[in-house]
Amino acid sequence: GAVVSQHPSRVICKSGTSVKIECRSLDFQATTMFWYRQFPKQSLMLMATSNEGSKATYEQGVEKDKFLINHASLTLSTLTVTSAHPEDSSFYICSANFGDGETQYFGPGTRLLVL
Amino acid sequence: AQSVTQLDSHVSVSEGTPVLLRCNYSSSYSPSLFWYVQHPNKGLQLLLKYTSAATLVKGINGFEAEFKKSETSFHLTKPSAHMSDAAEYFCVVNLKAAGNKLTFGGGTRVLVKP
Repeated sequence: GAVVSQHPSRVICKSGTSVKIECRSLDFQATTMFWYRQFPKQSLMLMATSNEGSKATYEQGVEKDKFLINHASLTLSTLTVTSAHPEDSSFYICSANFGDGETQYFGPGTRLLVL
Repeated sequence: AQSVTQLDSHVSVSEGTPVLLRCNYSSSYSPSLFWYVQHPNKGLQLLLKYTSAATLVKGINGFEAEFKKSETSFHLTKPSAHMSDAAEYFCVVNLKAAGNKLTFGGGTRVLVKP
């Protein structure tokens, strides 16, 4: 149980285009979903927290107009990287929690490469 | 404020020998503590968690961790390493009062030699 999926697993796009990444909780309804970014050989950096039906809360230094988060249902959150640039290339990971909310279950990640 | 320090960025062990990954934390409140494992280009998998019950926590794949409040530590151990244990391991603190945001340690990369 507690499976989280992400789609796509990897994407290559041209500079200036937008890319949408989906995060789904497959067998539970998520209380909250989180989006992280991970640079090579580094730990995870929290980008934003989202709850269904409300605006996402972004961490300091994360541009909300650059990284659009939509949390349309209890099982789906999307992250759109708008006008992507090469410096946005990274590994993006989502997670979700439910119940008491203490434990987060992570998706498999999406590798974004912007050319 | 809370923080997590993983004392070793890299650990190298031989297959069949014990593994010890060290983690120290600081937190103003009683935290929930987790260990996650990440294989290359994959997401994070939960190994085990401590949430104020038994101080010795058993997880998946033979891993266990002991919460020591006096030492503010939550070290991860496994008696016998397997080649499949080669991965990155993260010690994580959850402060529920902060909206269940996680604070990650810097990670420890485990290399298992045959």
